[in-house]
Formats: sequence, C-alpha cells, structure tokens
Amino acid sequence: DIVMTQSPDSLAVSLGERATINCKSSQSVLDSSNNKNSLAWYQQKPGQPPKVLIYWASTRESGVPDRFSGSGSGTDFTLTISSLQAEDVAVYYCQQYYSSLLTFGGGTKVEIK
Amino acid sequence: EVHLVESGGDLVLPGGSLRLSCAASGFTISSYAMSWVRRAPGKGLEWVSAISTGGSTYYADSVKGRFTISRDNSRNTLYLQMSSLSAEDTAIYYCAKSLVGAGGSGLNFDHWGQGSLVTVSS
Repeated sequence: DIVMTQSPDSLAVSLGERATINCKSSQSVLDSSNNKNSLAWYQQKPGQPPKVLIYWASTRESGVPDRFSGSGSGTDFTLTISSLQAEDVAVYYCQQYYSSLLTFGGGTKVEIK
Repeated sequence: EVHLVESGGDLVLPGGSLRLSCAASGFTISSYAMSWVRRAPGKGLEWVSAISTGGSTYYADSVKGRFTISRDNSRNTLYLQMSSLSAEDTAIYYCAKSLVGAGGSGLNFDHWGQGSLVTVSS
C-alpha cells in the first residue's frame, strides 16, 4: 500500500497569514499515462463530510477560493492557504488515487493563533 | 444534483454484523466508482472499500474478509455488509463518488454523503 505522511499534525496561524501543509507519499504517484500526479486535498469541518479542494495535485475544484493552492510532484506535495480566514479552520487531508488501494494522510488540524 | 444518503448505522455488539446502505440520486452509480470511507472518533479518514464500474471490488487490509461492498443498479444503491465487527470498526461511515480513472477505485472523491454512525460496543 502507498503510505501518505502529512506534516505537521496541527498548525496555528494568525488570520491573514500563510498556512502550509506537507504530504509525502511512500512511492511516486505520478501517472505516466497522463503526466499528472494522482493526489487530492480535502477539507473537513466538524460535523460535515470532507470536501475536495484540489485534485491532480494542483487543479482547484470549482468554487474553491483561490487562496487555496496545491503544488508538488512525485512523492512530495504541499497545500498552501495564502491568507488564512476564520472559515478555513478545519482538518485537511491528502489522498492518493494512483493505486486502486486508496490511502489518506493522517490529517492536519488548522487553527487560528 | 448529486445526493448520497447513508443509512443503517446502529449500535452493534462485538462480533456482530450490520449492513449500510447509500441511496444515490442525480447520477447512475454503475457509471462511477463508488467507495466507503470511515472516520473513527479522534482519528483521520480511512478508505474502506471501493467498487468499480465493472463490478470489481477493492478493500483495505483492515476490513478484507470481513466487509463486502456491493450495489443494486435497479435501486441505484450502494451497500456495505460488515461482519465480525470490533470496537476498532466504530466510526462514521461515508459513501463517496469518484470519477472513473485507469484504476478501478476511481479518481478523487467529488461527492460525499453525510455519513452513518456505527458503534460497536457491549
């Protein structure tokens, strides 16, 4: 199975400041058939199901604010919130879909400092 | 509009069985990969199982041999039959829809249900 490791486990950032979450996969998730990284990012707020923010490592889902961006390739990926807003308090997960045995990272809790 | 509604969650004794259902509307489940994902109390998301458009099934090691995913195309409903349940299976179970990709389990999840709570306790 592909193991996804996120860091940090939690993050406290001031309003308007940048938040950066890292995700590392135990093997490359770069799909050679389309040269895209099979990596998504989700946001989960308390009492709600997860919501996709980013897929193919850097493609923003329709309706997601442009302060959210994804980057990286191969085994190392980053989710950046450029200017943290109060409504961004949530747990964030990366997920690979390179393998049919799907796996998530452990999650990163983002709070306001 | 896509809707996924889970049902069947309950309090069950260790060693017991339970079947979850996920009624879909707004799309045809047989045209997409469908998965079950769970979140245990205080833990992160864990993918549990998937079924491809062709009916192939996939399971996490933690549930293989105990859980069975299936679908009823006529009812447009996804199921998860769970047996030999233990406290470690206590979680909110979500069904989720994926676009079809090269892998049978699909691409990223683009729609999720609200979840169904399964509690395994004596």
